[in-house]
Amino acid sequence: DAGVTQSPTHLIKTRGQQVTLRCSPKSGHDTVSWYQQALGQGPQFIFQYYEEEERQRGNFPDRFSGHQFPNYSSELNVNALLLGDSALYLCASSQTVYNEQFFGPGTRLTVL
Amino acid sequence: LAKTTQPISMDSYEGQEVNITCSHNNIATNDYITWYQQFPSQGPRFIIQGYKTKVTNEVASLFIPADRKSSTLSLPRVSLSDTAVYYCLVGLYSGGGADGLTFGKGTHLIIQP
Repeated sequence: DAGVTQSPTHLIKTRGQQVTLRCSPKSGHDTVSWYQQALGQGPQFIFQYYEEEERQRGNFPDRFSGHQFPNYSSELNVNALLLGDSALYLCASSQTVYNEQFFGPGTRLTVL
Repeated sequence: LAKTTQPISMDSYEGQEVNITCSHNNIATNDYITWYQQFPSQGPRFIIQGYKTKVTNEVASLFIPADRKSSTLSLPRVSLSDTAVYYCLVGLYSGGGADGLTFGKGTHLIIQP
């Protein structure tokens, strides 16, 4: 059974560009959460998707948006990239919003 | 959400038992205590969760005193591969619920030969 998968592994963008990150949840999971982890910090909650809707959002601007598809996979979009958006972006899936979250390996985004 | 405080870093040696303590003075009655482990360039991994007293699984033990204002993660006979960042989280659900999981900076554990 494949765990949570994310693509791409690494990504380099320049300021002002837009980026899309992808996540496939663990089999049987219907809830996907996204986190941003800056160097030396713990992961910070961006938002969570359940039944193709954003359920809750952390303290992130509207430049960060997402989508969940009928097969439960998810995308994270970031517009107008800033240097400060450089981070490891983690996707986590769970069986409902209440159960243990399983994390993917992350996508390392570098903004130049 | 209850705030947690844990040491920034700890050092130990292979074969030793390591105890990492976390303070959570404002823990709510229904909150659980959960510990995650994270290796460099990987996502966090669930280690153990408890509500009170002692919980043990194949990788760690979790000790929670009666007042629940702190907890101690115990790693028996550590090896070099236990070098990682360990996060203590407090919340109503193991998955954090709709608000997601709240991570602090964690404890960077370094195991030496």
